[in-house]
Order: sequence, then C-alpha cells, then structure tokens
Amino acid sequence: EDKVVQSPLSLVVHEGDTVTLNCSYEVTNFRSLLWYKQEKKAPTFLFMLTSSGIEKKSGRLSSILDKKELFSILNITATQTGDSAIYLCAVVYNFNKFYFGSGTKLNVKP
Amino acid sequence: DTEVTQTPKHLVMGMTNKKSLKCEQHMGHRAMYWYKQKAKKPPELMFVYSYEKLSINESVPSRFSPECPNSSLLNLHLHALQPEDSALYLCASSPLAGGLGVADTQYFGPGTRLTVL
Repeated sequence: EDKVVQSPLSLVVHEGDTVTLNCSYEVTNFRSLLWYKQEKKAPTFLFMLTSSGIEKKSGRLSSILDKKELFSILNITATQTGDSAIYLCAVVYNFNKFYFGSGTKLNVKP
Repeated sequence: DTEVTQTPKHLVMGMTNKKSLKCEQHMGHRAMYWYKQKAKKPPELMFVYSYEKLSINESVPSRFSPECPNSSLLNLHLHALQPEDSALYLCASSPLAGGLGVADTQYFGPGTRLTVL
C-alpha cells in the first residue's frame, strides 16, 4: 500500500532554534516530493524535489531528497514565531496522483 | 497571475439541497484537482481532471459530482450531502507538463468551508 509518513507529528521549539522535519514514503512510480506550509488556510508551496542529493534552499528553509532511502528532510534555521504552521509533505506518483502525509505541527514560542 | 480562486468562501446547506462549488485559474494549467480536508487532517484527493477529462476518481460517493467545463474552470456539484461531508474543500491546479520523469507542483485555492446541517 502506498504511503507517506511524516515525523514528528508535532514539535515545540523556541525562537532561534533549528528544526528538522522528516518525510518518508513508499509509493509506486515516484515522480517528485513536495513540501507545503499550511497556516489557517490553503497549503502554500515551499519546495519540489525530484533528484537525490540536491539541496533546495529558500532563505532559512532548505530541503533535500534521498531516493535510495526514500525520505526527505525539511530544515528551518533560526526559527521565528511566523514559522508556526503545519508542514505537509506530498508525493507525486503514478503520473498525476498526489498523496499527502499527515503533517508536522510546528509551534515556535517567543 | 498565479492565483486559484474558489467561490463561495463559506457554504451552509441542508441535506436535501443542491449546491455547487466553483474553482477558476488562469495560469494555463491543464490539471485541476478537488481535495477534501477535515479539521487537523491533511488534504485527501477526491478528483483529478487532466486536459478537461476526469482522470482520477478516488472512490468518491456519487453525491459529489465534478465537472470541468473548460481548461480554466472546475466545478463540484453537491447533492444530498451528509453532515460528515462538512469540511474544507480545496481546489488546486498544476501545469501537467506530461511525459515520464516530469513532475508538477500544485497551486491551491483558499478553499470553501462547507457545513452540512
């Protein structure tokens, strides 16, 4: 059965901390892995990863994919209260199917 | 224009009502999606349209009926819903470049918050 698993389910840190969020997957015909941030409304796109070992970076956020071990990590450095959100990992497989993990709820305290 | 719009923002309906949710994008994307999201859960895929044709139906009950009149519009017709269908309904679109090894990202609309009484 295809699946996407995120860990931890929730995380509480203080401003300035660095966090690492994990996403592992088992799907057929993998195409890509995407990270989203969801606050109160719809998910907003962060990164798309298709190749192993190539880090994507945007400001304090970075992500990398390991297609051999079937996982990805999302790093956030120098966290801020505005980073508090649910971070969703989604895998694209079988041409055009998207499957979301259950998300990691991040709470950054001042 | 990188926006996906959805109307209405909120909808309250009875179990005997017929209503429709609308989604629109003008990014030239050829794949459009309906998701259902319950509180504190990730989005669950319902339908995928590729080039205006239904390509994926994730065993959704027939009281939900999707329609894609053209490449920019996606509707979800609702009839005889149940209270457990209350959720946030998200529309998304993606470029659908096609071909093996080519991957797409998705752009989400703000969602319609549906309450079934």
